[in-house]
Amino acid sequence: RKEVEQDPGPFNVPEGATVAFNCTYSNSASQSFFWYRQDCRKEPKLLMSVYSSGNEDGRFTAQLNRASQYISLLIRDSKLSDSATYLCVVSNNAGNMLTFGGGTRLMVKP
Amino acid sequence: NAGVTQTPKFRVLKTGQSMTLLCAQDMNHEYMYWYRQDPGMGLRLIHYSVGEGTTAKGEVPDGYNVSRLKKQNFLLGLESAAPSQTSVYFCASSWKDASHTDTQYFGPGTRLTVL
Repeated sequence: RKEVEQDPGPFNVPEGATVAFNCTYSNSASQSFFWYRQDCRKEPKLLMSVYSSGNEDGRFTAQLNRASQYISLLIRDSKLSDSATYLCVVSNNAGNMLTFGGGTRLMVKP
Repeated sequence: NAGVTQTPKFRVLKTGQSMTLLCAQDMNHEYMYWYRQDPGMGLRLIHYSVGEGTTAKGEVPDGYNVSRLKKQNFLLGLESAAPSQTSVYFCASSWKDASHTDTQYFGPGTRLTVL
């Protein structure tokens, strides 16, 4: 079993749609959680950290369920520019390493 | 302020050749990392460094060596390249370790092909 698992997609959605991605992780002692965005043939960039109470940044909402070891990302009012691969990222219990999921690819169509 | 830079951007090697990938950051970050990214596998940590003069093994260290002689530079070496090392290599740096909600800043990547 992979340490961080994501549905690879692709998710094809029209502009303006709401889309949700899920991620599960296997290490119950993980300390920190993130969503990164990676455009085609580019480097990953931090989209947002994920806090236990859930957090929102504009059209993006992230949630963490420690009991189920589950992280989600909700994107509202999708834009063409949201087309990218979204990486779920989890730290190990020592906090000195990040483990990346394989990514979920999103394609927003006009 | 260039952020994180990587040299070279592309390289083709023959099996058995050696090479060094250079990563440089100008943000005065303590922590630096080398990852490889393969299709469907996500990024995997090769080695990392928590400060000048220190290095540690990550998830997939075999076949690679690293050095952090200067705080701003982190070198990744392949002593005898193998086709299995064909990948995209990313360097990253951060202020703090992964236990904090801290951003890792990535370089643009090096695309390496081993024939």
